[in-house]
Amino acid sequence: EDKVVQSPLSLVVHEGDTVTLNCSYEVTNFRSLLWYKQEKKAPTFLFMLTSSGIEKKSGRLSSILDKKELFSILNITATQTGDSAVYLCATTQGGSEKLVFGKGTKLTVNP
Amino acid sequence: NAGVTQTPKFRILKIGQSMTLQCTQDMNHNYMYWYRQDPGMGLKLIYYSVGAGITDKGEVPNGYNVSRSTTEDFPLRLELAAPSQTSVYFCASSFHTNTEAFFGQGTRLTVV
Repeated sequence: EDKVVQSPLSLVVHEGDTVTLNCSYEVTNFRSLLWYKQEKKAPTFLFMLTSSGIEKKSGRLSSILDKKELFSILNITATQTGDSAVYLCATTQGGSEKLVFGKGTKLTVNP
Repeated sequence: NAGVTQTPKFRILKIGQSMTLQCTQDMNHNYMYWYRQDPGMGLKLIYYSVGAGITDKGEVPNGYNVSRSTTEDFPLRLELAAPSQTSVYFCASSFHTNTEAFFGQGTRLTVV
């Protein structure tokens, strides 16, 4: 059975801390891994990763994929209260029309 | 710049009632999806569509039906609402399976 596992499930930090969120996957015919940020409502897209070892960056957020070890990490540096959200990891597969989502990591950044 | 639009934003149903959750997208995406998200859980796929006239079941299709008569619209139908269908429902669309999916704002449904 295809699965995506995120850890930790929840995390509480103080503003300014750096956090690392983990996503491991076991899916057949893996194509890509996507990270989403979900605040109160709809998930919003952060990154899509298809190649191992190539870091993607957007401001204080960065992510990298390791296709050998079947995992990805999402780093957030100098966290702010606005980073508080659930971060979702999802994979796409060749020959399948769906995204497989993990349960998410709930990040709380306290002032 | 509408993207994916879902209506209603929230609804309370009585057991056994029926309703349709509307979803429309203006990005000319072929792929559309319906997910449900329960508290503390990830998104689970209910149904998806790869184009007008084509739909298929996802992980949790029981109790739901969909149709895709146009590229833009992908309504989700609940025929006999049950308490187990209390959830937040998200519609999404993408150009292809391997590209970013855009999500609607969600519909919070409570069945009592």
